[in-house]
Amino acid sequence: LAKTTQPISMDSYEGQEVNITCSHNNIATNDYITWYQQFPSQGPRFIIQGYKTKVTNEVASLFIPADRKSSTLSLPRVSLSDTAVYYCLSSSYNQGGKLIFGQGTELSVKP
Amino acid sequence: GAVVSQHPSWVICKSGTSVKIECRSLDFQATTMFWYRQFPKQSLMLMATSNEGSKATYEQGVEKDKFLINHASLTLSTLTVTSAHPEDSSFYICSARDPPSDYEQYFGPGTRLTVT
Repeated sequence: LAKTTQPISMDSYEGQEVNITCSHNNIATNDYITWYQQFPSQGPRFIIQGYKTKVTNEVASLFIPADRKSSTLSLPRVSLSDTAVYYCLSSSYNQGGKLIFGQGTELSVKP
Repeated sequence: GAVVSQHPSWVICKSGTSVKIECRSLDFQATTMFWYRQFPKQSLMLMATSNEGSKATYEQGVEKDKFLINHASLTLSTLTVTSAHPEDSSFYICSARDPPSDYEQYFGPGTRLTVT
């Protein structure tokens, strides 16, 4: 499982677009990238997942360049309720679903 | 989406006693469940993989005799913290995979354990 590196913290203001970049230089061919959101004293919540190029859902977009050594989670027009810790993980279908969490990025959205 | 529940949501126990935490998949069958521990201001640490009908697989450094895991049915896994000590106080979270979307995991709400 590739190790991921992301900024420890980020600050933003309501209504702004937030981009959190994750580095995964040693990502394997079978690995895919998943982002989770966690609020204090709650379990993580799935946000988005992708293998390459761009994936978009109702809450976020995920950009993965061709070399797949990094990925960027984009949160459009954040609100105060988006204040949380965001985790980037790489995992493989062949690893039995095991997820190894890195340090995460603590996003603080201010009014 | 699939729902995973945990019970209890919080528990306080005395040092030396054992505590059981339940993890249930409510609307799907989970052949594999995972147990994590999270200390304040830290990331989740994978403790073990729970497989229905077989022994759990523990991560390096996790004491299997202290953290007993049982996955007796396709919807229930239990984690028992035996002879709990204050340093076992933590937030315990389980997750489950939902076949056929095996790559997606759903997390429970967590259980706050405080050992006094």
